[in-house]
Amino acid sequence: GQNIDQPTEMTATEGAIVQINCTYQTSGFNGLFWYQQHAGEAPTFLSYNVLDGLEEKGRFSSFLSRSKGYSYLLLKELQMKDSASYLCAVPYNQGGKLIFGQGTELSVKP
Amino acid sequence: DSGVTQTPKHLITATGQRVTLRCSPRSGDLSVYWYQQSLDQGLQFLIQYYNGEERAKGNILERFSAQQFPDLHSELNLSSLELGDSALYFCASSVEGRGDEQYFGPGTRLTVT
Repeated sequence: GQNIDQPTEMTATEGAIVQINCTYQTSGFNGLFWYQQHAGEAPTFLSYNVLDGLEEKGRFSSFLSRSKGYSYLLLKELQMKDSASYLCAVPYNQGGKLIFGQGTELSVKP
Repeated sequence: DSGVTQTPKHLITATGQRVTLRCSPRSGDLSVYWYQQSLDQGLQFLIQYYNGEERAKGNILERFSAQQFPDLHSELNLSSLELGDSALYFCASSVEGRGDEQYFGPGTRLTVT
């Protein structure tokens, strides 16, 4: 089956760096997604990793280690607008269905 | 703006009623997905269509049904509504429907009273 674990909450300071971890167990790996979701709004796509290593995209980077079943999302130069829930997700059995973690609620403080 | 549209934005209805939620995918996307998000459950996959055909099913209740039409828009029908059906319902779309990134619509907030 599929299982995804993320911390429930994190707090960080404006301008700082924060790392949000995600561990997963899946039968047949086909990549890992990160989404950002502000309260009451739609999830928005942040990144997709299918190979090991770090993918950088502006202030956001995502890392994957397939052998460890581990990923993290790195947010640099935090801004207040980064306060949101960050969702880790993996496709189920290499299909289209996404299994989402419960999300990590990030609060950015001044 | 993801390019996925959903109507209505809000829906308030009574227990026992039936409602229809509508979704139009991004231009060029053949696959549509429906998800339910309630406060205590996170995002739960309901069902996926690809080019009019059902491709994958999640823990969708028998009271719920969906379809994708030839113009690729999709509808989610919820019947015999219960208080516990109150949630945000999101539609998402993608090009291939096999592990590619999904783009989410703004959601329909359903409140059952």
